[in-house]
Amino acid sequence: GESVGLHLPTLSVQEGDNSIINCAYSNSASDYFIWYKQESGKGPQFIIDIRSNMDKRQGQRVTVLLNKTVKHLSLQIAATQPGDSAVYFCAESDSGSRLTFGEGTQLTVNP
Amino acid sequence: DTEVTQTPKHLVMGMTNKKSLKCEQHMGHRAMYWYKQKAKKPPELMFVYSYEKLSINESVPSRFSPECPNSSLLNLHLHALQPEDSALYLCASSRDGTEGEKLFFGSGTQLSVL
Repeated sequence: GESVGLHLPTLSVQEGDNSIINCAYSNSASDYFIWYKQESGKGPQFIIDIRSNMDKRQGQRVTVLLNKTVKHLSLQIAATQPGDSAVYFCAESDSGSRLTFGEGTQLTVNP
Repeated sequence: DTEVTQTPKHLVMGMTNKKSLKCEQHMGHRAMYWYKQKAKKPPELMFVYSYEKLSINESVPSRFSPECPNSSLLNLHLHALQPEDSALYLCASSRDGTEGEKLFFGSGTQLSVL
């Protein structure tokens, strides 16, 4: 399953499928990007980050892709599990301590 | 589990009350943050402290008053709030508030203003 567009708020996938969550950013000066996962009643939890000198970074079951040409960021989750159900936020920073969050995508994993 | 602890988890207050939100971290971080989050919206930055000094104030109304007593503690004093201030208030910390750092968030205080 894949979310498209900046303002799509929800993504529903079947357990075991791969998920792709997309994020567009507007600040060309942004050089640091983070994906956070936020479960209901909890604060945002760090998933993975990437700096602008990289195009791709992999973690455990997650991959972040950065396309600076079109200012686009994506989070790929392999073999999505019910525990992955949450709101996912991308965030960007431009050489400072101000981290700006995107609108978020609600990921629902169906068993 | 988060290493940033926020208290209380829930708070209900009237518009004439004075209350404080507290945040503590023991990761040796020198930057601490307050964010406000409305339901189904992204967190919005309010304040940043770096080395116990206020470095960013995002034009927050004066009814919100931050305080950083030491590098491990961050408070947010609330006075004469409005119902629209009801939200989840998140505290975060990072290494030292310089370029490109990951923030570690607490679980937040869910505030309701009546």
